[in-house]
Amino acid sequence: EVQLVESGGGVVRPGGSLRLSCAASGITFEDYGMSWVRQAPGKGLEWVSGINWNGGSTGYVDSVKGRFTISRDNAKNSLYLQMNSLRAEDTALYYCVRENEGIAPGVFDLWGQGTMVTVSS
Amino acid sequence: DIQMTQSPSSLSASVGDRVTITCRASQSISTFLHWYQQKPGRVPDLLIFAASTLQSGVPSRFSGTGSGTDFTLTISSLQPEDFATYYCQQTYNTPLSTFGQGTKLEIK
Repeated sequence: EVQLVESGGGVVRPGGSLRLSCAASGITFEDYGMSWVRQAPGKGLEWVSGINWNGGSTGYVDSVKGRFTISRDNAKNSLYLQMNSLRAEDTALYYCVRENEGIAPGVFDLWGQGTMVTVSS
Repeated sequence: DIQMTQSPSSLSASVGDRVTITCRASQSISTFLHWYQQKPGRVPDLLIFAASTLQSGVPSRFSGTGSGTDFTLTISSLQPEDFATYYCQQTYNTPLSTFGQGTKLEIK
């Protein structure tokens, strides 16, 4: 079955850290760029970070630069997001998303169900 | 960074109406513009990619136009299942990307 399954979310205090993971199955993981997209409760979608197929190119939204690090392990079919110095405004559902260049550059055509991150004291 | 301004933020309409949602980029993005539909409790679905190409399985009442900085999503005749939130996304400089703020389409 083609799917992305996120894990690693939870409740953390401001200033704390979490590491999100995304396990891909049913796809040739190394063929695709990947991204993390978040959605705060009742709010819109926000692209957080992206990585190309081999990890050689990464990008971040300004609000997480210097605090979050995206990485991937193609041998393990896995995507990661290391989140440090967490803030209340990072509270959101975090989605792992596949980019499908076969459709169009950067288009997201496969989404996980998300993992919730809550930053609260 | 490229900013995307989507309007309106919300819209009330009736079944059978024609509706248009606009998305403006802070700089030219050619046609690296895509539209998604999200229903409550669901992940977003891709509707239109490259500004005007309908994703497989999407009804033909959906259409997209534009290039450069100005883009539109049109639904020619609203159906009950179309009431949802719509987002534009630019992918001009991957792996960077940006979404618009979203347009919530509600039943009048």
